[in-house]
Amino acid sequence: ETGVTQTPRHLVMGMTNKKSLKCEQHLGHNAMYWYKQSAKKPLELMFVYNFKEQTENNSVPSRFSPECPNSSHLFLHLHTLQPEDSALYLCASSQTLGQGAQTGELFFGEGSRLTVL
Amino acid sequence: AQKVTQAQTEISVVEKEDVTLDCVYETRDTTYYLFWYKQPPSGELVFLIRRNSFDEQNEISGRYSWNFQKSTSSFNFTITASQVVDSAVYFCALSRSSGSARQLTFGSGTQLTVLP
Repeated sequence: ETGVTQTPRHLVMGMTNKKSLKCEQHLGHNAMYWYKQSAKKPLELMFVYNFKEQTENNSVPSRFSPECPNSSHLFLHLHTLQPEDSALYLCASSQTLGQGAQTGELFFGEGSRLTVL
Repeated sequence: AQKVTQAQTEISVVEKEDVTLDCVYETRDTTYYLFWYKQPPSGELVFLIRRNSFDEQNEISGRYSWNFQKSTSSFNFTITASQVVDSAVYFCALSRSSGSARQLTFGSGTQLTVLP
């Protein structure tokens, strides 16, 4: 079983659909992340959760709605997306040390390839 | 603001050749971390190395080696005797040393193709 599991691996949706991406980590980490990877662009950080609390929202449009019910699960709810939202969405986790410090190594899932028609 | 530049978008080499992937970074922080990640076709990013800004010693791990030069703000990655399995996109990244949850600033990646 891989450390970070993402489902579905591929998703095609229309602009009016509502869908969700799921991420689960089996590493005992406390921090989880959503990244967006578009063609020819650097990875873009979207959201960060630390101990289930959202600590970062990098000006992400409201059509992306994250949810972190516990430290092991992270969701990205999608609603009325645009074709330019088509990308690989990567989930990652990392270990929180004392006083909230991070080791820095992120462990990534294989990503969910999203296509918006 | 932090920035990571990987000027080489694509590199092709023949198996057994050595190849160096360049990474130049910008930061105003005095303490920071540098990373390299590998992204094979399967999609997940695989952590390769973390380097603290205070540690300028070069590191070697098998066929991989890293050259950190603070004076030129570079953190280059060399693969010796490349193999077809090394074909992947390689990302250099930079992060602050503080913060409740670390953020990484990634470069745009270098696509390495190793031909048999």
